[in-house]
Amino acid sequence: EVQLVESGGGLVQPGGSLRLSCAASGFAFSDYAMTWVRQAPGKGLEWVSGIGGGGISTYYADSVKGRFTISRDNSKNTLYLQMNNLRVEDTALYYCAKDRYINFADPPTSWGQGTLVTVSS
Amino acid sequence: QSVLTQAPSASGTPGQRVTISCSGSSSNIGSNTVNWYQQLPGTAPKLLIYNSNQRPSGVPDRFSGSKSGTSASLAISGLQSDDEADYYCAAWDDNLNGPVFGGGTKLTVL
Repeated sequence: EVQLVESGGGLVQPGGSLRLSCAASGFAFSDYAMTWVRQAPGKGLEWVSGIGGGGISTYYADSVKGRFTISRDNSKNTLYLQMNNLRVEDTALYYCAKDRYINFADPPTSWGQGTLVTVSS
Repeated sequence: QSVLTQAPSASGTPGQRVTISCSGSSSNIGSNTVNWYQQLPGTAPKLLIYNSNQRPSGVPDRFSGSKSGTSASLAISGLQSDDEADYYCAAWDDNLNGPVFGGGTKLTVL
């Protein structure tokens, strides 16, 4: 069974940084692209970033490009999202999600339970 | 403003059939398959339909998906109170090089 467990969320001031982690189990982690999707309070789903199975190819939504960095450690079955220069509008529940293929080219299939990031002074 | 367009709400009575629509463009639904997710209150999204009309194992056959041109639909037959949730469509977007989502449809079972 696919399990994705996010951690690292919390309260941070505008301009601050956070690093989210997602521990994966139940599948061959390096064989699948991974995605971060966020959901602001009371709002819909917004794609944030994606990474191929090998960790070389990375992709970002325009809203986070230049501020967020996605990475993965396939030896630890863990996905990361380094978030710098955080803004109030980055406040959301951040979901880690598994894709269908090794290449980042499809919407996600399995989702974690999310970790809450609150950006406020 | 979401890239894919969904009606914000839908409703039906127990046992009824309800359809939720999702409208996109040639760069997303028009050229790629569609996923549908169910998000029960306070929980993470769950995959209901992939490849526009395929159900993952464990999803009841009351849920079905279809796609035509730049639009897609999710049909729920034999509506149950447990189906009360938010439903989201998603598709890959060739211009954005990432997945795009609909704004979600809140389904109420009357």
